[in-house]
Amino acid sequence: GDSVTQMEGPVTLSEEAFLTINCTYTATGYPSLFWYVQYPGEGLQLLLKATKADDKGSNKGFEATYRKETTSFHLEKGSVQVSDSAVYFCALTIKAAGNKLTFGGGTRVLVKP
Amino acid sequence: EAQVTQNPRYLITVTGKKLTVTCSQNMNHEYMSWYRQDPGLGLRQIYYSMNVEVTDKGDVPEGYKVSRKEKRNFPLILESPSPNQTSLYFCASSRESNEKLFFGSGTQLSVL
Repeated sequence: GDSVTQMEGPVTLSEEAFLTINCTYTATGYPSLFWYVQYPGEGLQLLLKATKADDKGSNKGFEATYRKETTSFHLEKGSVQVSDSAVYFCALTIKAAGNKLTFGGGTRVLVKP
Repeated sequence: EAQVTQNPRYLITVTGKKLTVTCSQNMNHEYMSWYRQDPGLGLRQIYYSMNVEVTDKGDVPEGYKVSRKEKRNFPLILESPSPNQTSLYFCASSRESNEKLFFGSGTQLSVL
């Protein structure tokens, strides 16, 4: 079946450090890829998405590029802030498979001042 | 304000006592879904609904029921809760199933 694997956390960084969260997927069809973010005590919010190969999603300084050849969608940010502390989820959905959204296990990021 | 509202926010109950978690969205979305979030397992889909009167099982449907009688509401029903259903539950909706999901604030359920 379809699955998403992302690096385990927690990831602890200092402010202004570079952040990378790895995400790889296996899918039976052609997926759309997403990154969601969950701030403490809240529900998930869409951070960015990409719907086809080589698309780059970006938002709030975060970027991720849909790499079909490596089945990856790594999340990056060049200079993190304390307010970026959250849990980040990589996810995919396949329209032909009933559009079920499959999530990775989540990566907790803690940014220290 | 566009939102997904689920209630209650916190619920403690005992094994076997039927409960319902309500979910309502005001965005006229067709797609709605329920997830449970457990440490180390991420979010797993329980049930989803593509439209009114259309529901289908997700990855972990056992022990749960849903209904979609109206477009805006998608309640989650636990007929006989058990301790392994202790979890954080999220309702979500979107205009179509492969578009941005809007999440509720979550329901923390504890079954004793």
